[in-house]
Amino acid sequence: EIVLTQSPGTLSLSPGERATLSCRASQSVSSSYFAWYQHKPGQAPRLLIYGASSRATGIPDRFSGSGSGTDFTLTISRLEPEDSAVYYCQQYGSSPLCSFGQGTKLEIK
Amino acid sequence: QVQLQQSGPGLVKPSQTLSLTCAISGDRVSSDRAAWNWIRQSPSRGLEWLGRTYYMSEWNNNYAESVKNRITINPDTSKNQFSLQLNSVTPEDTAVYYCARMDILGTTRQFDYWGQGTLVTVSS
Repeated sequence: EIVLTQSPGTLSLSPGERATLSCRASQSVSSSYFAWYQHKPGQAPRLLIYGASSRATGIPDRFSGSGSGTDFTLTISRLEPEDSAVYYCQQYGSSPLCSFGQGTKLEIK
Repeated sequence: QVQLQQSGPGLVKPSQTLSLTCAISGDRVSSDRAAWNWIRQSPSRGLEWLGRTYYMSEWNNNYAESVKNRITINPDTSKNQFSLQLNSVTPEDTAVYYCARMDILGTTRQFDYWGQGTLVTVSS
């Protein structure tokens, strides 16, 4: 069973700084089947990155994804206050069929 | 533009059945390029995929191991919607439940459209 482990658990940064969020898989994951989501309280999760590195429609280029195999990264450059949220990684295709990481909470000071 | 509209009760008693519906606009539940999923979110478990239904020559379902003995996801082509039933609920099933679409014909797999979420509390 593939387990996705995100780090850090919480990240506190200032506007204008860069955030680097990590997601490590316990087994190799297909890059095509790897995605990142932003989740704010009271809202549905929002797709940010799919295929490990492609931005979803309407996502600013401050958001970028990279990685392959077992290590994936979401980078948010030039943080803005509205980037405060919990960020989840997600894999598809391996047992379990679909799973999410436990989330990284990003706080903007 | 695909839109998913959820409906169903927000309070369910322990041991009873949780039932939610997700109405689809802008796509078809019988589309052969989409899978229709239920996902829940709780503080203790984060985001948890529960299962999906999709049509590819016939109707197919996949369920998470954690709920496979209690869950049923059914399509309703006449109303262009799909439903979630979770039996024998306990307080641990208290969560915000989301429906979501995944394109299964392309080269990537992600949840691109989500319902608005329904907070379901299991309590007597």
